[in-house]
Amino acid sequence: GQQVMQIPQYQHVQEGEDFTTYCNSSTTLSNIQWYKQRPGGHPVFLIQLVKSGEVKKQKRLTFQFGEAKKNSSLHITATQTTDVGTYFCGHNFNKFYFGSGTKLNVKP
Amino acid sequence: GAVVSQHPSWVICKSGTSVKIECRSLDFQATTMFWYRQFPKQSLMLMATSNEGSKATYEQGVEKDKFLINHASLTLSTLTVTSAHPEDSSFYICSARKTSGSTYEQYFGPGTRLTVT
Repeated sequence: GQQVMQIPQYQHVQEGEDFTTYCNSSTTLSNIQWYKQRPGGHPVFLIQLVKSGEVKKQKRLTFQFGEAKKNSSLHITATQTTDVGTYFCGHNFNKFYFGSGTKLNVKP
Repeated sequence: GAVVSQHPSWVICKSGTSVKIECRSLDFQATTMFWYRQFPKQSLMLMATSNEGSKATYEQGVEKDKFLINHASLTLSTLTVTSAHPEDSSFYICSARKTSGSTYEQYFGPGTRLTVT
């Protein structure tokens, strides 16, 4: 399947700090989707980006799709303990493949 | 809207037996569903794509005779793990694709934790 790499693998932050996870592909992506999986839960759809250079915001979350459509980022401003979980990017074409995920831990 | 259910939520079975897992889209029709497997602290790995009314397509390395998939209706796909072994113990998650214009969204079931003893 198409490989989508994510970095970092783990991130530990103090509550109130910012957090960013990056998603990189060796090939051009038609779209990128982001999901959040809480510990013990299942992935929940956050957003889809389609256009080159697209930026979307959801409250403290900012999603960006690169100009070349080969990378994407998710930035969380002023993290809260409720942000704990694993964030996955994914690519949807005929099939949907997940990135490797970034596990976020927020210390209160 | 866009709710996907999965049954059972957890199952313990003996080695050599078969287990069937159901995935249902409750409030939308899904011509395409996906089955994933997730081992502890790992990402979700796509096992197969289930297409309503046709054969499933399996990812490389996934045995189609071991993981039987049936997508008999637009709201139901089933995964049967045949002759289960302890190494098949994992978290199995299905997702259903919902089409909204030019956008595809995936909605996930709550997952099934399979333990093979």
